[in-house]
Amino acid sequence: KAGVTQTPRYLIKTRGQQVTLSCSPISGHRSVSWYQQTPGQGLQFLFEYFSETQRNKGNFPGRFSGRQFSNSRSEMNVSTLELGDSALYLCASSLQGAHQETQYFGPGTRLLVL
Amino acid sequence: AQKITQTQPGMFVQEKEAVTLDCTYDTSDPSYGLFWYKQPSSGEMIFLIYQGSYDQQNATEGRYSLNFQKARKSANLVISASQLGDSAMYFCAMSSPGAGSYQLTFGKGTKLSVIP
Repeated sequence: KAGVTQTPRYLIKTRGQQVTLSCSPISGHRSVSWYQQTPGQGLQFLFEYFSETQRNKGNFPGRFSGRQFSNSRSEMNVSTLELGDSALYLCASSLQGAHQETQYFGPGTRLLVL
Repeated sequence: AQKITQTQPGMFVQEKEAVTLDCTYDTSDPSYGLFWYKQPSSGEMIFLIYQGSYDQQNATEGRYSLNFQKARKSANLVISASQLGDSAMYFCAMSSPGAGSYQLTFGKGTKLSVIP
């Protein structure tokens, strides 16, 4: 089975712009989660989607949003980029998102905001 | 609230020796899952091993084993016969059905360096 894929792998944007990141889960996985990783804050949960519905959201401003399509692919969007949004954004998938299930991660998207 | 603590920011181990990475956790949920992930410099999080709170035996996966001490709320990762390719960041994580379900809570990580 192919693993979780994320595009693009690297991205450079300027302050005020918006960005869309894409994630394709492992085939058959219906839960997709997003995490932000920075040197200062570590790994932080952004949100989780299952069957096109957001079930949980982390403590991030409304500039961070996401969606999930009927094929379980997911996108996250960050509007009005700030310097502090520079981070590695990781997407993870699991069968149904239950707490006993392993979440498998993609390679991440490195976002640099100038 | 869930919390994961990894007290070792960095560790060194000689090649072919065993190493233990510490992890303590805090949760009020009786049912929870504990995970260890490896993150090489490339950035991808690689799943290593899982332990459920009701599992009677410690989990093992090849050279990885999890020393689960429920009463002490610790879930230490043991890597046997270290290899140069084991040099990476290691993260302990937890998931529970309580507040914040469907998400993993991560520790700050331990940077492991394997010395030839």
